[in-house]
Amino acid sequence: EAGVTQFPSHSVIEKGQTVTLRCDPISGHDNLYWYRRVMGKEIKFLLHFVKESKQDESGMPNNRFLAERTGGTYSTLKVQPAELEDSGVYFCASSQVSGYNEQFFGPGTRLTVL
Amino acid sequence: AQKVTQAQTEISVVEKEDVTLDCVYETRDTTYYLFWYKQPPSGELVFLIRRNSFDEQNEISGRYSWNFQKSTSSFNFTITASQVVDSAVYFCALTPRGGLIFGTGTRLQVFP
Repeated sequence: EAGVTQFPSHSVIEKGQTVTLRCDPISGHDNLYWYRRVMGKEIKFLLHFVKESKQDESGMPNNRFLAERTGGTYSTLKVQPAELEDSGVYFCASSQVSGYNEQFFGPGTRLTVL
Repeated sequence: AQKVTQAQTEISVVEKEDVTLDCVYETRDTTYYLFWYKQPPSGELVFLIRRNSFDEQNEISGRYSWNFQKSTSSFNFTITASQVVDSAVYFCALTPRGGLIFGTGTRLQVFP
């Protein structure tokens, strides 16, 4: 069974540009999460999808971040326009049944904003 | 407020030593889950254990053991007879309802 995959693995962009990160959860997992770790800080929760619905988006930092999960399968996280402080590693995770289950993490996307 | 504190930023041990990683949490929820994840140098987060707030039984899995004490809001992780392959960053996390609240992690270095 394939694990959680994320694309790209690395992205380097300039301030003001747009970047879209993609996450493919484990097949059959209704719950999908986005997290990020900025340099030197803890991993922070961004949002939680249940199928295509946003269950909890309390961690989204501002309206420059837009997450979608059309059809309840893969998800995208768009940052527009990117700022320097958006640099970090963005992790995606999925779980099968409920938010209390083990979350399987992807390898992360390292975003560098210059 | 929900919070997880891992006071040990970095620990270095020599192979075969036992090591305990501390985790203290804060929550007002009566139902919650605690987790430990391992992040090896390759970068992915690997699930180690989940414990719910109603189950204070300690758990042992091979060289790994976990001690959950609600009275002190702690969920500590012990590695017995550490090995070089245990070198990684270890994260403790808490969730009342889904999104994980992580501690800052403890970097463990095991030297041969």
